[in-house]
Amino acid sequence: ETGVTQTPRHLVMGMTNKKSLKCEQHLGHNAMYWYKQSAKKPLELMFVYNFKEQTENNSVPSRFSPECPNSSHLFLHLHTLQPEDSALYLCASSQDQMNTEAFFGQGTRLTVV
Amino acid sequence: AQSVTQLGSHVSVSEGALVLLRCNYSSSVPPYLFWYVQYPNQGLQLLLKYTTGATLVKGINGFEAEFKKSETSFHLTKPSAHMSDAAEYFCALMDSNYQLIWGAGTKLIIKP
Repeated sequence: ETGVTQTPRHLVMGMTNKKSLKCEQHLGHNAMYWYKQSAKKPLELMFVYNFKEQTENNSVPSRFSPECPNSSHLFLHLHTLQPEDSALYLCASSQDQMNTEAFFGQGTRLTVV
Repeated sequence: AQSVTQLGSHVSVSEGALVLLRCNYSSSVPPYLFWYVQYPNQGLQLLLKYTTGATLVKGINGFEAEFKKSETSFHLTKPSAHMSDAAEYFCALMDSNYQLIWGAGTKLIIKP
């Protein structure tokens, strides 16, 4: 039990669908992150929220839209995705953005068909 | 620019043998360095980290890593591999914006 829970664990969606990934942390942390993990590539940081404010958007296409309604929840809204967006999407949290230890969820395996 | 290089996308060792996973970094400022492990179908878990102080860092599950500034390295070792160590290992560097810069990962395979 890592304290960071992601749902769903697996998702298959068509290119015209709209879906959302959910992340919830029970660690009392104030920073939350979305990462993309593709095979044979380093983890790619997508978004960072610190105290519910988005502090980083690493040139992510607008078809990915994050939402952080409170410090415990983070969403990633998906629409009109491309097959190359298929990957493992990992959520993480840390005490705050400057903290040196991140706790990860198990990820959502996304397949775009 | 800061970067992390992990040598070898796959490393195979026999059970009971020494594990050595290599990580080299590039950084213009004193680095904070990390090793994370990812077991199959799981998220990443922190194994150990170096921030300041002692250059030999001990982590969970018998792993340790040594920060060598002169070699810009932070290699991960374990004296005796167990089957349960089979996983993917990631080296990471924290940049000046407190973001983690990741290596591409090394899959550790344990042979019976």
